[in-house]
Amino acid sequence: AQSVTQLDSQVPVFEEAPVELRCNYSSSVSVYLFWYVQYPNQGLQLLLKYLSGSTLVKGINGFEAEFNKSQTSFHLRKPSVHISDTAEYFCAVSEQGAQKLVFGQGTRLTINP
Amino acid sequence: EAQVTQNPRYLITVTGKKLTVTCSQNMNHEYMSWYRQDPGLGLRQIYYSMNVEVTDKGDVPEGYKVSRKEKRNFPLILESPSPNQTSLYFCASSPLAGVNTGELFFGEGSRLTVL
Repeated sequence: AQSVTQLDSQVPVFEEAPVELRCNYSSSVSVYLFWYVQYPNQGLQLLLKYLSGSTLVKGINGFEAEFNKSQTSFHLRKPSVHISDTAEYFCAVSEQGAQKLVFGQGTRLTINP
Repeated sequence: EAQVTQNPRYLITVTGKKLTVTCSQNMNHEYMSWYRQDPGLGLRQIYYSMNVEVTDKGDVPEGYKVSRKEKRNFPLILESPSPNQTSLYFCASSPLAGVNTGELFFGEGSRLTVL
């Protein structure tokens, strides 16, 4: 069965600094990978996804993630964060052919001015 | 506007008092699901439904019931709530083909406190 580990529960950064949110997954078969964002008092929304093809995936709001099959990772990055990026970020995995998403524990990103 | 609507958004109740959290979507999606979100645990799936009258257990179904009598609605029922069901609950929907590819649409959440 697939599983997801987000290595940091909280990440504080200064505005305009770069950020990386780490995600590792475990699965015995091919997977699809996702990052969701949850702004305060809202539901989750899809930020970006990797299904196939280029391992560098670009999403909304300037975020990108890189799929690394050998390291079973899918880290999320942004070169310069804004106050509006303050949110909780969830990594998720789906095994190909399965009708199920498995979410990580979440990483709370806090942007300091 | 395409949306998933949950009610109530906030609820405080007492142990043993039956309650229902409603979920409705207007996108004609076949797939609907309930998750609970707890600090440090992320989102865990409670129940899901692939279509009308088709429901199945997720990872944490104990203490919950669901029904899918209409395509648009997927209520979550707590027959006898207990304090360990205090949590933030999310309903999500998707086209059936979109579940595997992450195209889940989430409601805004229902924060439930059981005293």
